[in-house]
Amino acid sequence: GAVVSQHPSWVICKSGTSVKIECRSLDFQATTMFWYRQFPKQSLMLMATSNEGSKATYEQGVEKDKFLINHASLTLSTLTVTSAHPEDSSFYICSAGLAGRNQETQYFGPGTRLLVL
Amino acid sequence: AQTVTQSQPEMSVQEAETVTLSCTYDTSESNYYLFWYKQPPSRQMILVIRQEAYKQQNATENRFSVNFQKAAKSFSLKISDSQLGDTAMYFCAFMKQGFTGTASKLTFGTGTRLQVTL
Repeated sequence: GAVVSQHPSWVICKSGTSVKIECRSLDFQATTMFWYRQFPKQSLMLMATSNEGSKATYEQGVEKDKFLINHASLTLSTLTVTSAHPEDSSFYICSAGLAGRNQETQYFGPGTRLLVL
Repeated sequence: AQTVTQSQPEMSVQEAETVTLSCTYDTSESNYYLFWYKQPPSRQMILVIRQEAYKQQNATENRFSVNFQKAAKSFSLKISDSQLGDTAMYFCAFMKQGFTGTASKLTFGTGTRLQVTL
């Protein structure tokens, strides 16, 4: 199956700093990538859809100025949590969309655990 | 808007036995895909099986198979010969077919926690 990497796997930062998370599709090109947030024992919550070469589409209630998304190439999308606060502590997961008529599928990265002190 | 419902928060099965996880969905779309993803304690989301709505034949992947009932909007997952490594949270998910063949967003159910015991 398709492989998606995500870095870092975990990060601890001080309140007020910014954190960048990278998501890469290793063996396929992804015109669309997705960013999710997951709270303990809950399902995944879609934050935004990232399209290569264009602005991301954010879900209702997600602050686009706080969660900056860049999709500069067909294999890389980044999520930057700006001025992080303890309430931003969570598990962030990216996925890359495999395109092609009747092949559409999302493959997930291993996730990033963020702890803001 | 689409909704996905998993009515079994937790299930348990003995090793080597068979278990079925339920999923129902609601949509007005005619072309879509359905998925089962597995999330073990490592929290990595792993694709288990995929079904194209236009196909009547149920998808199978080794010990995993689905019972897809389009009219009833039901998509259950059957795990045969359960193994300890099958212990995980299982999520059912819906994706509508895009116009250009680009993957669109997934709508997830709330998940079923499966415990495989000795």
